[in-house]
Amino acid sequence: KNEVEQSPQNLTAQEGEFITINCSYSVGISALHWLQQHPGGGIVSLFMLSSGKKKHGRLIATINIQEKHSSLHITASHPRDSAVYICAVVGGSQGNLIFGKGTKLSVKP
Amino acid sequence: DGGITQSPKYLFRKEGQNVTLSCEQNLNHDAMYWYRQDPGQGLRLIYYSQIVNDFQKGDIAEGYSVSREKKESFPLTVTSAQKNPTAFYLCASSKLAGGRQETQYFGPGTRLLVL
Repeated sequence: KNEVEQSPQNLTAQEGEFITINCSYSVGISALHWLQQHPGGGIVSLFMLSSGKKKHGRLIATINIQEKHSSLHITASHPRDSAVYICAVVGGSQGNLIFGKGTKLSVKP
Repeated sequence: DGGITQSPKYLFRKEGQNVTLSCEQNLNHDAMYWYRQDPGQGLRLIYYSQIVNDFQKGDIAEGYSVSREKKESFPLTVTSAQKNPTAFYLCASSKLAGGRQETQYFGPGTRLLVL
């Protein structure tokens, strides 16, 4: 079983829809990251959080440490949000990142 | 502009050949990392370095080598011992605060293909 599980693997939405991507993990962590990877391959860090909730524009990330679960929400989705969204946790003996496999989001106009 | 650069964007390797992927950062970050990404899999850590002249193996170091002679540079060599090198390689860097890494910043990646 992977230490970081994301769901769904693939998600197709219509423009304007509210989107939720989930991440569950099975290890002790000090922080959790949400990353965005565009088709060209470059990765951008969206959030790093260790408790509660963070908001940036139309993006909201939440984490529940007790349940070992995080969600990434996108409000009023837009085709430019189409990307792969990756959850990564800071864990392990060396405190390195452990990555989920990603959720591929496609927003149709 | 501060950031991380990787070169080349595409790299072709012949059988039995060593190739080196470049990673440079001007963010004054202490730590640098190399990841490999394969289709349908999460990123996997190859090597990382938290200080000049020191580096540690990650989860999949076999067939790879690195050096950290300068803070800004962390080149990755894919040796002929790496039997399945075709992948997308990402370099990242981060500050260290109290020994713990902060947000990682990623380069644009290098796609390695075997001829």
